[in-house]
Amino acid sequence: SAVISQKPSRDICQRGTSLTIQCQVDSQVTMMFWYRQQPGQSLTLIATANQGSEATYESGFVIDKFPISRPNLTFSTLTVSNMSPEDSSIYLCSVESVRGQRGYTFGSGTRLTVV
Amino acid sequence: GDSVTQMEGPVTLSEEAFLTINCTYTATGYPSLFWYVQYPGEGLQLLLKATKADDKGSNKGFEATYRKETTSFHLEKGSVQVSDSAVYFCAAEGGSARQLTFGSGTQLTVLP
Repeated sequence: SAVISQKPSRDICQRGTSLTIQCQVDSQVTMMFWYRQQPGQSLTLIATANQGSEATYESGFVIDKFPISRPNLTFSTLTVSNMSPEDSSIYLCSVESVRGQRGYTFGSGTRLTVV
Repeated sequence: GDSVTQMEGPVTLSEEAFLTINCTYTATGYPSLFWYVQYPGEGLQLLLKATKADDKGSNKGFEATYRKETTSFHLEKGSVQVSDSAVYFCAAEGGSARQLTFGSGTQLTVLP
């Protein structure tokens, strides 16, 4: 199944700055998903990123705050812009584990703390 | 849209006790269903899955059966171990992009 390398694994950032999170997959995948896990809570989908098209954002998330790049079939970035303490969360990317089969692999996550 | 309702935690059990974590879903059609586990300080791992009604997913002694009539996918294990202490998430796959909808998560602590 797919293997994801996500970085950074954690960061502490100043309010008002931006952080870009990278996910590299060891195989070509059509869709990549970005999730947020706020402290003590479940995962919430931020957006779905297809190669060659604009990402599709879920309700409550906007491109200006969470711009996403998807330059090829193995790589994506998520930027958390103009950060505030409320953005402190774990951010995870996800892809299908095996093409055409049900099931998803997750990156190890980026633990972001905004101070 | 799809939604997943999961038994609230935290759950604390003694080693070798029987575990049930309830999960029900609402969805259009018949989504694929999953249980994910998150061990302390680690990422999310797929525990088991079922893709159609009456399918039983199993792994590491855990089982869950896809019950269409009750729209449920309860997680069970006959004898838990201390190493099973983790947060367990039920999830359903649906929507045009086949994204996952997660339950709220259940923290399980197993005491020796």
